[in-house]
Amino acid sequence: GAVVSQHPSRVICKSGTSVKIECRSLDFQATTMFWYRQFPKKSLMLMATSNEGSKATYEQGVEKDKFLINHASLTLSTLTVTSAHPEDSSFYICSAGTSGSVSTDTQYFGPGTRLTVL
Amino acid sequence: AQSVAQPEDQVNVAEGNPLTVKCTYSVSGNPYLFWYVQYPNRGLQFLLKYITGDNLVKGSYGFEAEFNKSQTSFHLKKPSALVSDSALYFCAVRVNTGGFKTIFGAGTRLFVKA
Repeated sequence: GAVVSQHPSRVICKSGTSVKIECRSLDFQATTMFWYRQFPKKSLMLMATSNEGSKATYEQGVEKDKFLINHASLTLSTLTVTSAHPEDSSFYICSAGTSGSVSTDTQYFGPGTRLTVL
Repeated sequence: AQSVAQPEDQVNVAEGNPLTVKCTYSVSGNPYLFWYVQYPNRGLQFLLKYITGDNLVKGSYGFEAEFNKSQTSFHLKKPSALVSDSALYFCAVRVNTGGFKTIFGAGTRLFVKA
């Protein structure tokens, strides 16, 4: 149980285009999902917390107009990178908790999406 | 500032030997601590967590971690390393900054040599 999927696993796009990444909790309902960005040989950087039915909470320094997050249902959150630039190339990872107890809940992670912007 | 530190970029150990991956934390209030492992081309996998109770926490794949409040540490251990344990390990702490979020350490790459 507690499987999180991401689609696509890899995407290559041209500079200036927009890319949508989907994150799904396959066998549980996720009230809250998290979006991370991982740079090569670096740790995960939290970008935003996505709450079902409400606006996402962005971390300081993350452009909300560039990284659009939608959490339309309890099993789906999407991250759209708008007007992508080469510096947006990165590994994007989502995660979700199973019980809704955000203080102690175990987060389950998707396999990640490798975005390359040419 | 609330943070978690993994002082070693890389740990090398021979197969069959015990391994330790170090983690220290700095949080206000009670720490909620986690260990995750990331294999190449795969997502992070949960290993174990400390919320409260027994200081020695046992987790997946034979790993365990010991919570030490006085030293503010949560080192990951395994009595006998396997080559298949080679991966990137992340220590993490759950903090409340007007909403709970997880802060990850920089990661430690473990190499187990046959």
